[in-house]
Amino acid sequence: GQQVMQIPQYQHVQEGEDFTTYCNSSTTLSNIQWYKQRPGGHPVFLIQLVKSGEVKKQKRLTFQFGEAKKNSSLHITATQTTDVGTYFCAGDTNAGKSTFGDGTTLTVKP
Amino acid sequence: DAMVIQNPRYQVTQFGKPVTLSCSQTLNHNVMYWYQQKSSQAPKLLFHYYDKDFNNEADTPDNFQSRRPNTSFCFLDIRSPGLGDAAMYLCATSRDSTEVDEQYFGPGTRLTVT
Repeated sequence: GQQVMQIPQYQHVQEGEDFTTYCNSSTTLSNIQWYKQRPGGHPVFLIQLVKSGEVKKQKRLTFQFGEAKKNSSLHITATQTTDVGTYFCAGDTNAGKSTFGDGTTLTVKP
Repeated sequence: DAMVIQNPRYQVTQFGKPVTLSCSQTLNHNVMYWYQQKSSQAPKLLFHYYDKDFNNEADTPDNFQSRRPNTSFCFLDIRSPGLGDAAMYLCATSRDSTEVDEQYFGPGTRLTVT
């Protein structure tokens, strides 16, 4: 079956440092979504990427979708303590459902 | 304004005692999903409804059932909860599933099995 792998599993950074999480699929994706889950909370949608090579930005967050549509990344510039949480990618290959990566848990030291 | 509502937020049940979790949505979305999320793990899709069509995941135990009586409501029934079923259960909706759209998650129900 489809596998979506995410690395790293954990990332500890000093406030102000950058952070990147990577998502890789074993199969070509029709789209990929990114979610953020705060400790004790539920996943909250951040963005969806659909086009090959697509890059989207949300303030300090930059999302990329690979040319082959099998990988994606989320980069946060100059992390803040409010960025803490687990970031999940979710890739869609089969119509009607998406497969979540295992998530990257970010902690930010003030 | 809450868009995906889950009740209760916390549920305690006894080993083997049937339990029902509920989800409602005000978005009028066609698709409703149930996920199981255990501590420090990704949400695991159990099943989803596209309108009235039920789609079960191959590895979802028979112990888990679902009902969707109308567009707004969806229920997760656990027939005989085991200790391993203790988890957060997340309901989500999306507008359409022919290509997965943004999913809106409810706050979840945390199930404890004693």
